[in-house]
This record gives sequence, structure tokens and C-alpha cells, in this order.
Amino acid sequence: AQTVTQSQPEMSVQEAETVTLSCTYDTSENNYYLFWYKQPPSRQMILVIRQEAYKQQNATENRFSVNFQKAAKSFSLKISDSQLGDTAMYFCAFMKHAYGGSQGNLIFGKGTKLSVKP
Amino acid sequence: DSGVTQTPKHLITATGQRVTLRCSPRSGDLSVYWYQQSLDQGLQFLIQYYNGEERAKGNILERFSAQQFPDLHSELNLSSLELGDSALYFCASGGGRSGHSGNTIYFGEGSWLTVV
Repeated sequence: AQTVTQSQPEMSVQEAETVTLSCTYDTSENNYYLFWYKQPPSRQMILVIRQEAYKQQNATENRFSVNFQKAAKSFSLKISDSQLGDTAMYFCAFMKHAYGGSQGNLIFGKGTKLSVKP
Repeated sequence: DSGVTQTPKHLITATGQRVTLRCSPRSGDLSVYWYQQSLDQGLQFLIQYYNGEERAKGNILERFSAQQFPDLHSELNLSSLELGDSALYFCASGGGRSGHSGNTIYFGEGSWLTVV
């Protein structure tokens, strides 16, 4: 069974600074996907960034980037130029590749609560 | 807007009652997932449907059931409700035809269930 571990329950960062959220996972699968989702106080689940395990290049979406280390099973999220609106719970998630047309389901870590301070 | 629609957004009901939560997936998506998020808890996978058939089952109680209809919308039925069932229930969709959605799962805004 796959597991996802986020070792930092809470973090804080000053506005405009950079912060890195950690995530490790355990799997015997070779084909899978990794995600970071953001859950602001509204509790909506918002996709931040996605990484395919077969791609060596780290994914980037504007101020958000990942450091994907497949051998180490590590998938950290870096937020640059932090903004007040980045305050949220961040969940790391794993999804194994499913064959036959459908997808697998997401397995989530317990989340990291990020506070961006003015 | 993720394109996943859930109703109702809020629901308050008494213990022992039964409720139905409804979900319309993103256009073109064939998979529907249900997740439960209790207060201060992580996201628990309940069940997945793909093109009308049950595909995977997680920590879903026997008092809960779900189905996906031919038009691909899904319903989650919660019966004999207990106080501990109070939670935010998310529907998510993905896995469309020909790689639509790119192996990404998108979430609805959730249905808040309060059992009193």
C-alpha cells in the first residue's frame, strides 16, 4: 500500500519570502503521479501542481515549483515570493497509474498548515 | 471553478436520518470519487466509480452507499446518521476519454454535513 508523509504540521513564512514544504511517499509502483493541493480557509481543494513520475524535469507553475527526487521518494513544494493568499493547508497526494482507461485514486498526506505573515 | 458541481452545499440533519449528496463531474470525465474530511482530519477516500461501475473502495462504512448513473452524475447516500458522520464530503472527477483531464483529479466545493 502507498503512504504519503508530510512531516511539517505547521509552517510560517514572511510575505515575499520563499518557503519549502516537504513530502515523502512510499510505493513499489513505477508509474504514478504526485500532486500538491491547496485548501484555503474556504475549504475548497485547489490543484497547485502536478508531476508525472516518468518525467525527470521538475514541474513549475508560476511561483510554485517542486523538487522531485524519485529515488529518494521525495516531492517537496517551493513557494517563491509568498503572498498572503497562499495561507492555506497544503496536501501532498499520490496517485498510481491505472490501466484500462480509468485513473487510480488519490492518497493524501495529513497536510501542512502554512501561514503567510505580513 | 473546477467544473465539478456538488449539491447541497450545506445540510443539517438529525441522528438516525438519511441524506443524499449529489455530484456532477466535469464534462468529459468518466471517474467520480467521494472523499470525507472530518474536522481536523485528513482526506479519507470513500469510493470511486468509473463509467457507471464501482472501481475502487476505501474506508466507506456499510451505512454509506454510492452509485454513478448513465449520465455520469453520482450520488452518495448516507443512512442511520451518527454525530461522527458530520464532515465535509468532497466529490472529485477525472479520467475522461482519450486521456482527457490528463490524469488529474479535480474537486468540487464540497457538501458540509452537520448531524445534530
